[in-house]
Amino acid sequence: QKEVEQNSGPLSVPEGAIASLNCTYSDRGSQSFFWYRQYSGKSPELIMFIYSNGDKEDGRFTAQLNKASQYVSLLIRDSQPSDSATYLCAVNTNYGQNFVFGPGTRLSVLP
Amino acid sequence: EAGVAQSPRYKIIEKRQSVAFWCNPISGHATLYWYQQILGQGPKLLIQFQNNGVVDDSQLPKDRFSAERLKGVDSTLKIQPAKLEDSAVYLCASSSLRAGPSRYNEQFFGPGTRLTVL
Repeated sequence: QKEVEQNSGPLSVPEGAIASLNCTYSDRGSQSFFWYRQYSGKSPELIMFIYSNGDKEDGRFTAQLNKASQYVSLLIRDSQPSDSATYLCAVNTNYGQNFVFGPGTRLSVLP
Repeated sequence: EAGVAQSPRYKIIEKRQSVAFWCNPISGHATLYWYQQILGQGPKLLIQFQNNGVVDDSQLPKDRFSAERLKGVDSTLKIQPAKLEDSAVYLCASSSLRAGPSRYNEQFFGPGTRLTVL
């Protein structure tokens, strides 16, 4: 059974700080890694994807992937109250198939 | 570009009743997904279609759940009979990539159908 694990939180950070969200996965064959943001009562929306080891930056967001450690993280710089949401890590293992989501980490950015 | 449409948005039924959900993906998207999201959990993939063929239905409880995607466009998900534990949000998503060698597959989600089973 392929598993994706995340700390459920809540993770609380002050406005302007860096929020660090972590995700581990069990299947070494995993190929693509995604971070989705889900506001309460809304649907998930994609904010980052990564498939090569290392860092990928997009604005205030940086995704980090370490396949040897089976670990992917998301850093949010200059956190804003509008970043308060649940962040879902998702892993794709088989060429566009077998999407597995983690349970999500709830982030709260305090003004 | 219109997004993924789902209906109904809310549904309340008694256990052992039947229910159906409808999804219309983004125009031109060949891949369609149905997810079940129980409160406090991440989405769980129930079934994935590529055009009108099933790519993955390994987590679909086939004794009570069924899904079809006729003509490779819109799709319906049915539960018959419903159980209390089926209470969840049912999300439909679509993507434009074919299931095949690819490293990127952005899924666009619809607003979901919130099902309550009493």
